[in-house]
Amino acid sequence: KAGVTQTPRYLIKTRGQQVTLSCSPISGHRSVSWYQQTPGQGLQFLFEYFSETQRNKGNFPGRFSGRQFSNSRSEMNVSTLELGDSALYLCASSLAIGGTYEQYFGPGTRLTVT
Amino acid sequence: AQTVTQSQPEMSVQEAETVTLSCTYDTSESDYYLFWYKQPPSRQMILVIRQEAYKQQNATENRFSVNFQKAAKSFSLKISDSQLGDAAMYFCAYLAGATNKLIFGTGTLLAVQP
Repeated sequence: KAGVTQTPRYLIKTRGQQVTLSCSPISGHRSVSWYQQTPGQGLQFLFEYFSETQRNKGNFPGRFSGRQFSNSRSEMNVSTLELGDSALYLCASSLAIGGTYEQYFGPGTRLTVT
Repeated sequence: AQTVTQSQPEMSVQEAETVTLSCTYDTSESDYYLFWYKQPPSRQMILVIRQEAYKQQNATENRFSVNFQKAAKSFSLKISDSQLGDAAMYFCAYLAGATNKLIFGTGTLLAVQP
């Protein structure tokens, strides 16, 4: 069974631009969560989706948005990029909601904003 | 708000020896899960071990075991017979029962000396 895939793996953008990151969960998984990892703030929760519905959102500005499609693939979008958005963005998929369901992480997308 | 604290930014252990990584957390929830994740240099987040709060028995996975002290809100990870491949960043994480939102600690960087 294929793991969680994230595309692109690396991305360089300029301040003010927008970016879309993609996450394809493991086949059959209906939940996708997103995390931002930076040296200064560590791992922070961005969003949680289940069956195309956002169930939880972290404490990030409205420039960060996401969605989930009917095939469970998820995208996150960051508009008006700032230097501080440079980070490793990780997504995780699981069968359903709750701690009994293991979350499997993708390899991440490394975003650099210049 | 729930918080997770890892007070050891770095640890070192000799190959074949035992090491314990510390984690404390704060929550007012009764239904929650605790996890240890490993992040090697590849940045792929891997689940090491999971503990359900309602279980008194400490979780064990091969060379990895936890010491879960619910009243003290402490959740330490013991790695026995350390191997070179155990060298990584280790994150303690908390999850409230009805979500997939992981709250991570700041991590402990474990070095394994040959």
